[in-house]
Amino acid sequence: AQSVSQHNHHVILSEAASLELGCNYSYGGTVNLFWYVQYPGQHLQLLLKYFSGDPLVKGIKGFEAEFIKSKFSFNLRKPSVQWSDTAEYFCAVGSGNTGKLIFGQGTTLQVKP
Amino acid sequence: NAGVTQTPKFQVLKTGQSMTLQCAQDMNHEYMSWYRQDPGMGLRLIHYSVGAGITDQGEVPNGYNVSRSTTEDFPLRLLSAAPSQTSVYFCASSWRLAGVHEQFFGPGTRLTVL
Repeated sequence: AQSVSQHNHHVILSEAASLELGCNYSYGGTVNLFWYVQYPGQHLQLLLKYFSGDPLVKGIKGFEAEFIKSKFSFNLRKPSVQWSDTAEYFCAVGSGNTGKLIFGQGTTLQVKP
Repeated sequence: NAGVTQTPKFQVLKTGQSMTLQCAQDMNHEYMSWYRQDPGMGLRLIHYSVGAGITDQGEVPNGYNVSRSTTEDFPLRLLSAAPSQTSVYFCASSWRLAGVHEQFFGPGTRLTVL
């Protein structure tokens, strides 16, 4: 069965700290991988996506993620977080045929000023 | 473009009542989906559609019906609301480019069932 697991449920960092959020997936076909962000009171926005090519993908707002096929992982990173990065982050794996997305449980990031 | 729109934004129902959550998109996307978001569980797929007239079940379809008579609209029906359906509901649409779907989400409907 397809599944996505996010290891950290709640992360608290100080501004300028580095961030890494873990994501592992289980999927039998060609994977499309995504990270979405949900700021308080808002809907989901796409941070970045991977479907082929360079396994290191860069997204908006200084975020990047690395696809490691051997580890079934797609971890999200940012070298220096800001207070405005406080949000909930979701990893998702998608089907290229149907558009279905399977989401992880989400990680709440709290950045202290 | 308005993107993906959802109505209503908030709704309170009593157990046993029925209602329809509306979703529309103006991007001519083939694919549309409904998700529910619950604390600690991420988003779970309820139903999805790969085109007008074609729908299929997701992870948590029980208690919900959908239909897709046009490309633009994908309403979600709760036949007999239950407290377990208290959640935030998101509609999404996507198109397929080079084998990849990028989903665009609506603003959500917060539903409370008493």
